[in-house]
Amino acid sequence: EAGVTQFPSHSVIEKGQTVTLRCDPISGHDNLYWYRRVMGKEIKFLLHFVKESKQDESGMPNNRFLAERTGGTYSTLKVQPAELEDSGVYFCASSQVGGRIMNTEAFFGQGTRLTVV
Amino acid sequence: AQSVTQPDIHITVSEGASLELRCNYSYGATPYLFWYVQSPGQGLQLLLKYFSGDTLVQGIKGFEAEFKRSQSSFNLRKPSVHWSDAAEYFCAVGAQAGNMLTFGGGTRLMVKP
Repeated sequence: EAGVTQFPSHSVIEKGQTVTLRCDPISGHDNLYWYRRVMGKEIKFLLHFVKESKQDESGMPNNRFLAERTGGTYSTLKVQPAELEDSGVYFCASSQVGGRIMNTEAFFGQGTRLTVV
Repeated sequence: AQSVTQPDIHITVSEGASLELRCNYSYGATPYLFWYVQSPGQGLQLLLKYFSGDTLVQGIKGFEAEFKRSQSSFNLRKPSVHWSDAAEYFCAVGAQAGNMLTFGGGTRLMVKP
């Protein structure tokens, strides 16, 4: 079974440009999360989808960030326009909804390292 | 609001030595606690988790962690470290299983021969 997949693995863009990150969760996982780790800081929650609906977007830093989840499958996170402070590693995670507690752990992707220059 | 503190940013141990990574959390109710590891070039991998029951939890790769409610701690231990354990370790707390996680700042482990 494929794990959580993120594209691209690395991205270097200039300040002011637009970047779109993609996450493919594990098949059947309705929960999808985005996290970000800015260099030297802790991993911070950005938002949470349940299927195609945004359950919690309290961690989104500002309106330059737009997350979507088409049809409840893959998700994209767009940064437009990118700023220097957006540099960091963006992680995606997915988990099942409901079922036994032991089945609801979150599985993480490898992350996308974004560098804004 | 929940929070997690990992007091040690870097730790270096000799191969074969024992290891303990500290984690303290702040949360009003019974927390769901996790330890993740990130090896170079890899994503976050779950080592172990605590939801309820036995406070000593066994995980993968020979790791274990003990939940101590009185100390608000969930320290990770391994009796004998291998060179392949060199990685960054993250402690995390969640309000409930499957919910968003709050992470500590991470502890980078270096293993010397």
